Amino acid sequence: GAGVSQSPRYKVAKRGQDVALRCDPISGHVSLFWYQQALGQGPEFLTYFQNEAQLDKSGLPSDRFFAERPEGSVSTLKIQRTQQEDSAVYLCASSLILDGTYMNTEAFFGQGTRLTVV
Amino acid sequence: AQKVTQAQTEISVVEKEDVTLDCVYETRDTTYYLFWYKQPPSGELVFLIRRNSFDEQNEISGRYSWNFQKSTSSFNFTITASQVVDSAVYFCALSEARDDYKLSFGAGTTVTVRA
Repeated sequence: GAGVSQSPRYKVAKRGQDVALRCDPISGHVSLFWYQQALGQGPEFLTYFQNEAQLDKSGLPSDRFFAERPEGSVSTLKIQRTQQEDSAVYLCASSLILDGTYMNTEAFFGQGTRLTVV
Repeated sequence: AQKVTQAQTEISVVEKEDVTLDCVYETRDTTYYLFWYKQPPSGELVFLIRRNSFDEQNEISGRYSWNFQKSTSSFNFTITASQVVDSAVYFCALSEARDDYKLSFGAGTTVTVRA
């Protein structure tokens, strides 16, 4: 498909379980972002990749959260030892960088993965 | 501190009415970018507009229009002659020049358009 694809769409995890959320960005998009959206709230920034380099991980809420993008395309957000407060929709977005400079171009978002920790 | 405030939690209108969504932002940067996104029930965020801080011209795109006023730090969004398909959550967002890849979103306004 032409858009950002995320899988799974829904995930139910028992507290303490590890989860992995996948994001397939738009082909050719250099930048990739993860956001966390709690119920009834706006998305909050988690982390930013430019190709395979993780340039900003300041939004990751704890060391239980880990993101990678080893080949500069698909990205995985991993949450270890999930807690109830991790329940949220996790959104992935990608955008194109032109001429090697971030030009704040439009970010395209996926439909998200709804994580419920029980 | 909250950088983007959307004071309206929910707005309900009847089809063909106009609806205006308020957005107030806060930043110390002189260069920044403002955005509006639409989030339909399917969940993805759909980009509507980006405006940089140096461009205070109002913009119209079809039934959508935006009013940017630096003096009041506001970037309001109006849907004219609303339609049922406009029902969604609308988010205003800000990015600052120092880390312009990072969007700070407001809490969103849920718009319901009734037939």
